[in-house]
Amino acid sequence: DGGITQSPKYLFRKEGQNVTLSCEQNLNHDAMYWYRQDPGQGLRLIYYSQIVNDFQKGDIAEGYSVSREKKESFPLTVTSAQKNPTAFYLCASSIVLGNYNEQFFGPGTRLTVL
Amino acid sequence: DQQVKQNSPSLSVQEGRISILNCDYTNSMFDYFLWYKKYPAEGPTFLISISSIKDKNEDGRFTVFLNKSAKHLSLHIVPSQPGDSAVYFCAASNHAGNNRKLIWGLGTSLAVNP
Repeated sequence: DGGITQSPKYLFRKEGQNVTLSCEQNLNHDAMYWYRQDPGQGLRLIYYSQIVNDFQKGDIAEGYSVSREKKESFPLTVTSAQKNPTAFYLCASSIVLGNYNEQFFGPGTRLTVL
Repeated sequence: DQQVKQNSPSLSVQEGRISILNCDYTNSMFDYFLWYKKYPAEGPTFLISISSIKDKNEDGRFTVFLNKSAKHLSLHIVPSQPGDSAVYFCAASNHAGNNRKLIWGLGTSLAVNP
């Protein structure tokens, strides 16, 4: 079964700790994305990557970092510099070739910082 | 500044009737539009899309209409079913330069009552 997996589903951390959220896809997609969703808000883009070893900041990259060492994996680190890290985090992927490509999403990780 | 606007935060419809969800955009460079459906604590799932060269796209009970002159699109669900109750997001993109970023609306929460 092809798809995107995010683990864990729920994550709790103490304030001041860095935490890394996992995202893996076996769809052979070149592009991967990280979004954040807060209550009553739409999806806000944190980082995206269109190719291995390259990534760009989205609209709210401050306090986050990513890496793209493998095509299948795009982990997101929420650092202690992120002022309001408690949120629902969504990972997505898409193909790059062609003009019109939808993004496919994982199930999300709910991060709660205590 | 919100480039993609879903002005109705919520909509309530009777089972069997038509649901019409609206979306307005401001950027005339957008050339591809998508609708996603999202249940709480899950990732969005792709529903239907339309490119700017078309004015209508249909897939089963779902039809998307695009009015480029008005910068407006709508999603019609006929007939509405209780399982359609979810948050619906409109998203848009401009594929110039292979830009794969999606710009998202804030969503409309649809409730289909039995």
